[in-house]
Amino acid sequence: DTGVSQDPRHKITKRGQNVTFRCDPISEHNRLYWYRQTLGQGPEFLTYFQNEAQLEKSRLLSDRFSAERPKGSFSTLEIQRTEQGDSAMYLCASSNRAGGVYGYTFGSGTRLTVV
Amino acid sequence: GEDVEQSLFLSVREGDSSVINCTYTDSSSTYLYWYKQEPGAGLQLLTYIFSNMDMKQDQRLTVLLNKKDKHLSLRIADTQTGDSAIYFCAEDTGRRALTFGSGTRLQVQP
Repeated sequence: DTGVSQDPRHKITKRGQNVTFRCDPISEHNRLYWYRQTLGQGPEFLTYFQNEAQLEKSRLLSDRFSAERPKGSFSTLEIQRTEQGDSAMYLCASSNRAGGVYGYTFGSGTRLTVV
Repeated sequence: GEDVEQSLFLSVREGDSSVINCTYTDSSSTYLYWYKQEPGAGLQLLTYIFSNMDMKQDQRLTVLLNKKDKHLSLRIADTQTGDSAIYFCAEDTGRRALTFGSGTRLQVQP
């Protein structure tokens, strides 16, 4: 297992288009998290899953955003009707239980640019 | 509430020690982490400290935790040019994932 994988690495889209990102976590991790990071800021929590259940969503996750983890393995994050303010790095992380001494393992992120 | 603050920038000379500071407000934090982010990359876990510890040393890294003042620091001994990056502290209260600071950019001058 090579860690947390995210695809694509970069996405440029026109305003109003829909985009979908994928995250493949470490296989034995049952928790999966999505964060958003804008320039000069730390990552901000968006949502997390324990197995296939979406347990919490941030108020940052507007109704244009939806995340799924259908089989408790990979996850997708979809943004509908993208806006320029959605431009950011979207990071996925996974953990076993609640982090603890192993922390949370992050992927390299998907950089979204909305033009 | 949860709020993590860090100074924005630190510049040191190669071979010197670097000290990056962080303050947090949630006294129920269980673990506190330090992550490193290089340009265009994700976050790499450097080290952590459990809330009942005062200090943790891991090779060139020393983490100090002052729970009374809610202050966390990361000391990097013998700083190298490869240590140039953005360093984030993050708190884990066990309720929801991690809350990150805005990051400290460390610049190491040769």
